[in-house]
Amino acid sequence: SQQGEEDPQALSIQEGENATMNCSYKTSINNLQWYRQNSGRGLVHLILIRSNEREKHSGRLRVTLDTSKKSSSLLITASRAADTASYFCATVPRSNDYKLSFGAGTTVTVRA
Amino acid sequence: KAGVTQTPRYLIKTRGQQVTLSCSPISGHRSVSWYQQTPGQGLQFLFEYFSETQRNKGNFPGRFSGRQFSNSRSEMNVSTLELGDSALYLCASSTGDRSYEQYFGPGTRLTVT
Repeated sequence: SQQGEEDPQALSIQEGENATMNCSYKTSINNLQWYRQNSGRGLVHLILIRSNEREKHSGRLRVTLDTSKKSSSLLITASRAADTASYFCATVPRSNDYKLSFGAGTTVTVRA
Repeated sequence: KAGVTQTPRYLIKTRGQQVTLSCSPISGHRSVSWYQQTPGQGLQFLFEYFSETQRNKGNFPGRFSGRQFSNSRSEMNVSTLELGDSALYLCASSTGDRSYEQYFGPGTRLTVT
């Protein structure tokens, strides 16, 4: 079963616009990670935010985490055509389990 | 450093057959995890190996098994293939610490006919 749920399922934006996607999860976490996947290929790690962090930046990416609401958001600023991909949030539980539980993903299409 | 490699990249098998997929992690990484990705179920965790021991297991039937060698390379095996096993199988390596990200390979696309 999937731990996280992304919203929206799909997003279409114009190049240069910002893209925001949200992730909700169910159990207590050690950290939350965002990954990108291009057209059925392997996943690329984007950013990791720990449970004691509230916001993190990496280049054009901004991630927030609200553990009280069990939710996270990923913002991609000034989007480019190359940002067209599926984006997944994944959680690592606070328990001793070492595994990523993925959400269903958000498919982002950036129009030129 | 070289990335995570998976072989083969594509595979076509017939129902009832078995298959073995291979994964070579990033040098120095001791943890290898396997995931199954399908359009219907999304990304599902299969199992994780750390220092040749299975440390975590997902909710898959016993037909799915794996192992890890002393050089951290890992294999997963699926026996008695079913049509529903058609999927992209992804391997990921990491240091083994839960606080760090996983690095994914390109995947093996398995088609069962």
